[in-house]
Amino acid sequence: GENVEQHPSTLSVQEGDSAVIKCTYSDSASNYFPWYKQELGKRPQLIIDIRSNVGEKKDQRIAVTLNKTAKHFSLHITETQPEDSAVYFCAAAKYYFGAGTRLFVKA
Amino acid sequence: NAGVMQNPRHLVRRRGQEARLRCSPMKGHSHVYWYRQLPEEGLKFMVYLQKENIIDESGMPKERFSAEFPKEGPSILRIQQVVRGDSAAYFCASSLGLADLNEQFFGPGTRLTVL
Repeated sequence: GENVEQHPSTLSVQEGDSAVIKCTYSDSASNYFPWYKQELGKRPQLIIDIRSNVGEKKDQRIAVTLNKTAKHFSLHITETQPEDSAVYFCAAAKYYFGAGTRLFVKA
Repeated sequence: NAGVMQNPRHLVRRRGQEARLRCSPMKGHSHVYWYRQLPEEGLKFMVYLQKENIIDESGMPKERFSAEFPKEGPSILRIQQVVRGDSAAYFCASSLGLADLNEQFFGPGTRLTVL
């Protein structure tokens, strides 16, 4: 199947700092790039997504950037809060997910 | 509008038994996806179905696993002769249209434990 790589696997930041998670994909036909947040024991939930005709999208403290030429996209969380602590997954090529990034926000 | 529903939420089986996991998509959604998640790991795609059709089963093991999405009723993921390695959380998701253009909505998952 499609290869979606996600880095880093673990990220620890101080409250108020920014966090950046990066994903690369190999299928150049991919057009839709969602990010999901999964809290412990819960279901994944969409937090932001971007389509291939857009280079950047922002929603309050969360933004996603896409570089289709380089086949990578990134999630940016600014002014992190303890409740941002969770596992974040990127996805591409319909239903292939990255391995996840465990984000810890220290108060 | 109820979200994606899965049952049972927890399922315990002994080795060699069968496990049946059910998924009811969101109202109006005809695309269903099944994923497996091992502890501390990511979501691994298993199968993509539309009503009465399997569209892509490239992520599903060739033996013991099968899935269906009948015209009436929920989608079912069936695991025959379960082994300990089948213990995992199984999530289903649904979307209004194709996954390469539309958000997937996830169910709460079924946590399968094989003794």
